[in-house]
Amino acid sequence: NAGVMQNPRHLVRRRGQEARLRCSPMKGHSHVYWYRQLPEEGLKFMVYLQKENIIDESGMPKERFSAEFPKEGPSILRIQQVVRGDSAAYFCASSPYSAGRNTGELFFGEGSRLTVL
Amino acid sequence: QQQVKQSPQSLIVQKGGISIINCAYENTAFDYFPWYQQFPGKGPALLIAIRPDVSEKKEGRFTISFNKSAKQFSLHIMDSQPGDSATYFCAASKGNQFYFGTGTSLTVIP
Repeated sequence: NAGVMQNPRHLVRRRGQEARLRCSPMKGHSHVYWYRQLPEEGLKFMVYLQKENIIDESGMPKERFSAEFPKEGPSILRIQQVVRGDSAAYFCASSPYSAGRNTGELFFGEGSRLTVL
Repeated sequence: QQQVKQSPQSLIVQKGGISIINCAYENTAFDYFPWYQQFPGKGPALLIAIRPDVSEKKEGRFTISFNKSAKQFSLHIMDSQPGDSATYFCAASKGNQFYFGTGTSLTVIP
């Protein structure tokens, strides 16, 4: 059973370009979370998605950032017109949680490290 | 508002010593309290977790102590080893909401 797969592991973009980060959850998981981690800082929640639905995007900047989790394929975190402050590690996590049954565990991928020049 | 407060930010312990990391939470509705371990360049991985109906949980050298009335919980690492050097995150969750502490960087000196 493969774990949470994220790609690319490393991404370099120039200011103004677009960054697309992909996440395939663990098999059987239909809940995906995206977190951002800056050096020497903790995990900052960005967005929580279920298949085809954004459940909670309260942690995601309203401009330039978007996320989706289509019926088929991986979840994608998209950052448009990147700026240097977007440089960070972006982690995806999946959960087997379903309504009425909370297993309480998140399974993290190894992250995508974005560097904006 | 920080839902989960974690301390210390960094910790240095001698090999064989006890490492203690503390967390406090606000929302009494939280019903699951996991600890995650993260090595450099890797994603966080679940280390140990506890539910509020239990005051202590032990797995090998790792123990969670939980104080429901004080809304605090802590991670104890007994006989700390250099391989335990990592960043540790506490978290609290309710349903599909997860809140993480800011992390503790642990260094175990040989």
